[in-house]
Amino acid sequence: QKEVEQNSGPLSVPEGAIASLNCTYSDRGSQSFFWYRQYSGKSPELIMFIYSNGDKEDGRFTAQLNKASQYVSLLIRDSQPSDSATYLCAVSKRFGAGTRLTVKP
Amino acid sequence: GAGVSQSPSNKVTEKGKDVELRCDPISGHTALYWYRQSLGQGLEFLIYFQGNSAPDKSGLPSDRFSAERTGGSVSTLTIQRTQQEDSAVYLCASSFGGLSYEQYFGPGTRLTVT
Repeated sequence: QKEVEQNSGPLSVPEGAIASLNCTYSDRGSQSFFWYRQYSGKSPELIMFIYSNGDKEDGRFTAQLNKASQYVSLLIRDSQPSDSATYLCAVSKRFGAGTRLTVKP
Repeated sequence: GAGVSQSPSNKVTEKGKDVELRCDPISGHTALYWYRQSLGQGLEFLIYFQGNSAPDKSGLPSDRFSAERTGGSVSTLTIQRTQQEDSAVYLCASSFGGLSYEQYFGPGTRLTVT
């Protein structure tokens, strides 16, 4: 079992829709959770971080954490073509394989 | 301010040769990470340095890989007797503190082993 698992996608949504990205992790003691965005040929950049159970909102992005279920998600509202990228879930220092998101105009 | 820098940006080497990859973290960041990313894949954790603590080497794939961090700043990742499967982008990241802090990534070194 991988330490951090994500659906590899690709995930395709129309412009203006909500994109939902999911991640599960195996280490129940994990304390820090991150979502990074990586454009093709570029390095990852931070989108959101979350430490406590519940939701955390930042603009069009909402991170959700459920430690009991060992599950973290990222919602992107009003998706834009510029959101098309690979989204990487990170738990502490371990990364998932990423989910490739395409937002179609 | 300056971000994380890595050198070289590209490295082509022959199978069996040794290579050294360099990372300069953001000034003041105490934590430094090395990752490997093969084409179309996620980030594979290699090694983590935090302050003066012993590094977490749990991600190094074989004893051909080693890394050091001098003076709590610059880090060098060394790959001995390179193999074709070592071909990947090697990313370095630094963070202000330990594992609870966001990581800032450098541009990476693309290593090609022929």
